[in-house]
Amino acid sequence: DAKTTQPPSMDCAEGRAANLPCNHSTISGNEYVYWYRQIHSQGPQYIIHGLKNNETNEMASLIITEDRKSSTLILPHATLRDTAVYYCIVRSNNAGNMLTFGGGTRLMVKP
Amino acid sequence: GAVVSQHPSRVICKSGTSVKIECRSLDFQATTMFWYRQFPKQSLMLMATSNEGSKATYEQGVEKDKFLINHASLTLSTLTVTSAHPEDSSFYICSARVGGKSDTQYFGPGTRLTVL
Repeated sequence: DAKTTQPPSMDCAEGRAANLPCNHSTISGNEYVYWYRQIHSQGPQYIIHGLKNNETNEMASLIITEDRKSSTLILPHATLRDTAVYYCIVRSNNAGNMLTFGGGTRLMVKP
Repeated sequence: GAVVSQHPSRVICKSGTSVKIECRSLDFQATTMFWYRQFPKQSLMLMATSNEGSKATYEQGVEKDKFLINHASLTLSTLTVTSAHPEDSSFYICSARVGGKSDTQYFGPGTRLTVL
């Protein structure tokens, strides 16, 4: 699976949009981009995933560049409860494929 | 989203004892479950992939005789840490795979193991 690069930390003001970038320049055609987050001392929570089109759900939006070499997770109105480590993971959907976690981005939402 | 539970959420045991951790998919069937371990201030590390009805596949460096995995049904996988030592103290997290069009893994809340 392709490796991803994320900034180690980011700050965001409460109520503003949080834009978390992820680089995955070696992504291949059958690999999806997944985003999870982990709040302290909890299991990771699935947020969203996509292949090449932009995706939106009740939690966030995922914007994938046309060349698929990078993506951005957008939390439209960040709250204090969105403070967490956000992981961008690239993997193919072959049976049994596991998720490989990197360092993620530690997002701190401040009042 | 799909719900995955783990039990217990927290366990403290003496060195040399064995500890069993259960992972259940509550509202879906999971042919594949995964076990991860997370040390303080580190990312999740995959330990093994558990397939229902067959032997687990362990990652390099993970002792299969120490970390026994049983996936006896489509909704239950167990991880047994045998002869636990203080260095096994960690946060153990399972995930279950939902296949099909929306191929996604959902994670349990984790189990904090402390070995004295």
